[in-house]
Amino acid sequence: AQRVTQPEKLLSVFKGAPVELKCNYSYSGSPELFWYVQYSRQRLQLLLRHISRESIKGFTADLNKGETSFHLKKPFAQEEDSAMYYCALPSGGSYIPTFGRGTSLIVHP
Amino acid sequence: DGGITQSPKYLFRKEGQNVTLSCEQNLNHDAMYWYRQDPGQGLRLIYYSQIVNDFQKGDIAEGYSVSREKKESFPLTVTSAQKNPTAFYLCASSLRDRGAGELFFGEGSRLTVL
Repeated sequence: AQRVTQPEKLLSVFKGAPVELKCNYSYSGSPELFWYVQYSRQRLQLLLRHISRESIKGFTADLNKGETSFHLKKPFAQEEDSAMYYCALPSGGSYIPTFGRGTSLIVHP
Repeated sequence: DGGITQSPKYLFRKEGQNVTLSCEQNLNHDAMYWYRQDPGQGLRLIYYSQIVNDFQKGDIAEGYSVSREKKESFPLTVTSAQKNPTAFYLCASSLRDRGAGELFFGEGSRLTVL
């Protein structure tokens, strides 16, 4: 069965520091992975998906099939990046998204 | 204004009562989902529907029921059989296409059982 693991419940960094939110997955097929973000008092929304290979708000994520990881990275964290981040893996014949437990990122001034 | 609307935002219920949470979308999406969000547990899938008049159980369907009579609407009923119903409930929708699509979420409904 597919599984998404986000090992850190909380990640606390200072403004300007690099940040990496970890996501590991288990899936027997060819995965398609997403990162969703939930800012305070806002609805959960898509941040980026690995297929698009985009950089959104300075964040990037590379799919590493060898390590089965899809870590989210940003070289210089900003206070407005403080939010809850979820890694998601749509899989199976119906591509129903499975979410990780989430990582709360706090960026201190 | 396109999007997903959930109501009510906050709901209080006495033990033993059923409650229904509304979810409406005007995005013309085929697929709709209900997730439960608890601190430290992420989002867990309750039910999903990929087409009108059809729906499937998710990982934690016990104590919940849904219907999908219209494409735009996917209400969730939290029954008295749900042992721990106090939670934040999120509705989402997506295009049903080849591969995985982006999920669009509502603002959520917070249910508190007194």
